[in-house]
Amino acid sequence: GAVVSQHPSRVICKSGTSVKIECRSLDFQATTMFWYRQFPKKSLMLMATSNEGSKATYEQGVEKDKFLINHASLTLSTLTVTSAHPEDSSFYICSARVDRADTQYFGPGTRLTVL
Amino acid sequence: KNEVEQSPQNLTAQEGEFITINCSYSVGISALHWLQQHPGGGIVSLFMLSSGKKKHGRLIATINIQEKHSSLHITASHPRDSAVYICAVTGSNYKLTFGKGTLLTVNP
Repeated sequence: GAVVSQHPSRVICKSGTSVKIECRSLDFQATTMFWYRQFPKKSLMLMATSNEGSKATYEQGVEKDKFLINHASLTLSTLTVTSAHPEDSSFYICSARVDRADTQYFGPGTRLTVL
Repeated sequence: KNEVEQSPQNLTAQEGEFITINCSYSVGISALHWLQQHPGGGIVSLFMLSSGKKKHGRLIATINIQEKHSSLHITASHPRDSAVYICAVTGSNYKLTFGKGTLLTVNP
């Protein structure tokens, strides 16, 4: 089946630094990638929708200048958490969708801890 | 009210038991997904369905579009089935809305 990878799987950083998370579709081209965030014991929340070659669409309440999303190719989207704060500590998951299909394939997630 | 409601929130079963997790939604959807999340956090897509019933091994998923309701069944449950099961619906622009999940613990 379709595979989506994320890198890194875990990252610990100091407050004020920036962290980049990569999401790759390994064996298919993803026209759309989604970025989700999950707090402990909570539902996944959609942060933004990323379409290849265009600007990401952010959900209400998500700061686009803080969570920079780039979808430079049909197989790669990146999420950069800028000037990270402890409250940004969370589990970040991406998913990838094939054009004209409802199926989404999820990455394994990245656990970010900001000290 | 959450657009996607799951029940129960927590479920403990003995190995071998038949398990049912329910999902109700209140919006129009194009598809419904059942996902599995293990303690490490990674998510696996179990089913995507828009009508009827699907079966994969010991897992069965059904959906009733008119009643806006879906169920996930696990037959002959096993401790390795212990995980969080999440119902999610695809709405407009292919965005997913997630339920809060059901924590399943299967004891040996």
